[in-house]
Amino acid sequence: GESVGLHLPTLSVQEGDNSIINCAYSNSASDYFIWYKQESGKGPQFIIDIRSNMDKRQGQRVTVLLNKTVKHLSLQIAATQPGDSAVYFCAEIPNYGQNFVFGPGTRLSVLP
Amino acid sequence: DTEVTQTPKHLVMGMTNKKSLKCEQHMGHRAMYWYKQKAKKPPELMFVYSYEKLSINESVPSRFSPECPNSSLLNLHLHALQPEDSALYLCASSQQTGADEKLFFGSGTQLSVL
Repeated sequence: GESVGLHLPTLSVQEGDNSIINCAYSNSASDYFIWYKQESGKGPQFIIDIRSNMDKRQGQRVTVLLNKTVKHLSLQIAATQPGDSAVYFCAEIPNYGQNFVFGPGTRLSVLP
Repeated sequence: DTEVTQTPKHLVMGMTNKKSLKCEQHMGHRAMYWYKQKAKKPPELMFVYSYEKLSINESVPSRFSPECPNSSLLNLHLHALQPEDSALYLCASSQQTGADEKLFFGSGTQLSVL
């Protein structure tokens, strides 16, 4: 399940299950969105991106969904593996600008 | 080569010290960034260099001084830091084409100010 509190929100899933990580973005003018994965001791790593003229994009085991009406982004990970354990950040970029704005992050914990 | 390399990986400094963080990329990217990341928080933008010119300064205190010697190198000079400046400092780069602006990050420098 998912918990939100004083600490980083955490999503715990069983190995092999699908994971869904959600993100609410703030700027309706944002037209480019990225999901990043950050493992302990490393910098954020690009996972998948989507432009505002799309509502779905698929990669290898990952799918990003964009709902511009409610300014919501989600990352779906199929058949979650232990190596997927990390903190996941969404980022929004307004109007081909350079000021990437990152969401608060969600820690994904994969249970054996 | 799709790496952004940052040195040092760890740095401990006193409040009176002067030190520099270094970043290098050889992907031909023309935009380079410094981000600051506190524990359990998202990265926060500090500076952006575009074509070797400072294009964004997010109201960062003057004790942080960026420098872009050429299109492949980015430095962050540190002087008279405070303990609250302790954080992970991330360098990133992007192509600056206007059509594909994904950031590529280095592994960061973990800075501790005593």
